[in-house]
Amino acid sequence: AQSVTQLGSHVSVSEGALVLLRCNYSSSVPPYLFWYVQYPNQGLQLLLKYTTGATLVKGINGFEAEFKKSETSFHLTKPSAHMSDAAEYFCALSTGANSKLTFGKGITLSVRP
Amino acid sequence: DAGVIQSPRHEVTEMGQEVTLRCKPISGHDYLFWYRQTMMRGLELLIYFNNNVPIDDSGMPEDRFSAKMPNASFSTLKIQPSEPRDSAVYFCASSLTGHEAFFGQGTRLTVV
Repeated sequence: AQSVTQLGSHVSVSEGALVLLRCNYSSSVPPYLFWYVQYPNQGLQLLLKYTTGATLVKGINGFEAEFKKSETSFHLTKPSAHMSDAAEYFCALSTGANSKLTFGKGITLSVRP
Repeated sequence: DAGVIQSPRHEVTEMGQEVTLRCKPISGHDYLFWYRQTMMRGLELLIYFNNNVPIDDSGMPEDRFSAKMPNASFSTLKIQPSEPRDSAVYFCASSLTGHEAFFGQGTRLTVV
């Protein structure tokens, strides 16, 4: 069975500081990995994805993530946080044989002025 | 493209009533997913369709829940009878590949 783990429920950073949101996964086959962002009362918006190829992927709004197979991780980073980044972030996984997206529990990012 | 369109955005109903949620996927997308989001359980996949055919409904909580996709541009999720514990935000999502999903704005259901 596949699973996604996002430890913690809340991260708070200062504006301009590094954002690091952690995601670890479990899958017996090569995974496809995704990060989604959800603003209040909105649907989920795709930030970035990893399917195959380059392990460092860049997404919208200055976010990027690196697929590390040895660590079964897909952490999301942004060099400098902006107030508008405050939202909930979800890591998700699917596999080539299984079209079901499995989501982590999500993590809320707060940005302090 | 207008994206995935869900209606209504908000629904308040009394326990025991029938509720129907509607979804129009992105044109050309062959996959359609229904998710439920609650504080306690997070995002749960209820059912997904490929080419209008239900592929996996193992997430549908009970027989009170049913979903249909009569054509490529429309799907419904029905709850009959509704119960307070069904209160949640229900999302529809569509996908071209079956992996990268695009979500609608959701329907916030409150059952009183």
